[in-house]
Amino acid sequence: GAVVSQHPSRVICKSGTSVKIECRSLDFQATTMFWYRQFPKQSLMLMATSNEGSKATYEQGVEKDKFLINHASLTLSTLTVTSAHPEDSSFYICSARRGQGNNSPLHFGNGTRLTVT
Amino acid sequence: QKEVEQNSGPLSVPEGAIASLNCTYSDRGSQSFFWYRQYSGKSPELIMFIYSNGDKEDGRFTAQLNKASQYVSLLIRDSQPSDSATYLCAVSGGYDMRFGAGTRLTVKP
Repeated sequence: GAVVSQHPSRVICKSGTSVKIECRSLDFQATTMFWYRQFPKQSLMLMATSNEGSKATYEQGVEKDKFLINHASLTLSTLTVTSAHPEDSSFYICSARRGQGNNSPLHFGNGTRLTVT
Repeated sequence: QKEVEQNSGPLSVPEGAIASLNCTYSDRGSQSFFWYRQYSGKSPELIMFIYSNGDKEDGRFTAQLNKASQYVSLLIRDSQPSDSATYLCAVSGGYDMRFGAGTRLTVKP
């Protein structure tokens, strides 16, 4: 069964509005979660690493003021796309490691398809 | 820049054949290697992982790792139409995981 839950699965919003995406680890605690973005026919691109109780670590080129990440508990991380624009339309996917250690596999949520009109 | 390279394909094989998917990586410090399958419009799902040189088999899937050549592959035996998807190679050397662009596989009935 699923080990990472992501919500919503699909959202359509108007340009200039904000959208919040939730990512939950099911039956395990995730001190770290990862947020990826995927444009059509392209690979997964790591946007940021969400750290419970501290600031997220953003990849180069990702605007931290536009993509707000909050990891307030050991099972929940949220990504808020602020002042969304059509170019932010993409597939956003969160993930977490269930096992111990940095080499254990990542498990992905079902993703959120964001369309900004 | 830590690179993970895959042939984007598309790779087309007939049903029942062996599909061979390849991946190379640039970071010699990489320690763990993963293969994910991604259906169109869906998120990736883990197929296999491998940490040591050699082969690892799981059902119809075999992962092969050669750290000296910085090469990892996935073999799918008795390919089925339901195996048609994009296969992502992922490499981890520690904290995060880097993905290749994926190889699109089509298995024709």
